[in-house]
Amino acid sequence: QVQLQESGPGLVRSSETLSLTCSVSGGSIISYYWNWIRQPAGKGLEWIGRIYTNGSAKYNPSLKSRISMSVDTSKNQFSLKLTSLTAADTAVYYCARLRFLDSPFDQWGRGTLVTVSS
Amino acid sequence: EIVMTQSPATLSVSPGQRATLSCRASQSINNNLAWYQQRPGQAPRLLIYATSTRATGTPAKFSGSGSGTEFTLTISSLQSEDFAVYYCQQYNSWPPYTFGQGTKLEIK
Repeated sequence: QVQLQESGPGLVRSSETLSLTCSVSGGSIISYYWNWIRQPAGKGLEWIGRIYTNGSAKYNPSLKSRISMSVDTSKNQFSLKLTSLTAADTAVYYCARLRFLDSPFDQWGRGTLVTVSS
Repeated sequence: EIVMTQSPATLSVSPGQRATLSCRASQSINNNLAWYQQRPGQAPRLLIYATSTRATGTPAKFSGSGSGTEFTLTISSLQSEDFAVYYCQQYNSWPPYTFGQGTKLEIK
């Protein structure tokens, strides 16, 4: 069973850049689509973006100008950078797997809470 | 962007009874709809995909139906572990993939 684990700072300052990494274990990162999804406290889920193992990425248009994603197949990891942080970016950040573009998110990490402080 | 609307926001049902949750898409998504269960403090878990196909490990008490823009998740014989928040999600038109705002299923 593949497992995903998010890692990164729990607290970041406003206007700075958030960097998160998702480590994939129990299976290969190759040939899947890897995603970031976030959830503010008490609210719903927002898809941030996805990256394929060849490095091709697609982002949510609402966040596109502030996002970049990368993948390191040698480490079985992928990463998210989110710039110009504000309090509105405070959320639990999940990484999740897509088998195909037209498929659901079938594996999720436990999530990591990121708080943006002023 | 396809907007997903779930109703009701909160559903109160007694244990042992059946719950029916609704999800509406702002345009047709064919059958490219998934349902997730999220218990407090946990990540969402895939329950159903392709409208009505149960994911591995999903009990038969969970069933999905619908087409086009209207979808339903039915949960029979509710037990304590079923009381959670349920999200629908479309994966027909992207970016972005979009979720409903969730239905909280609570004990009556």
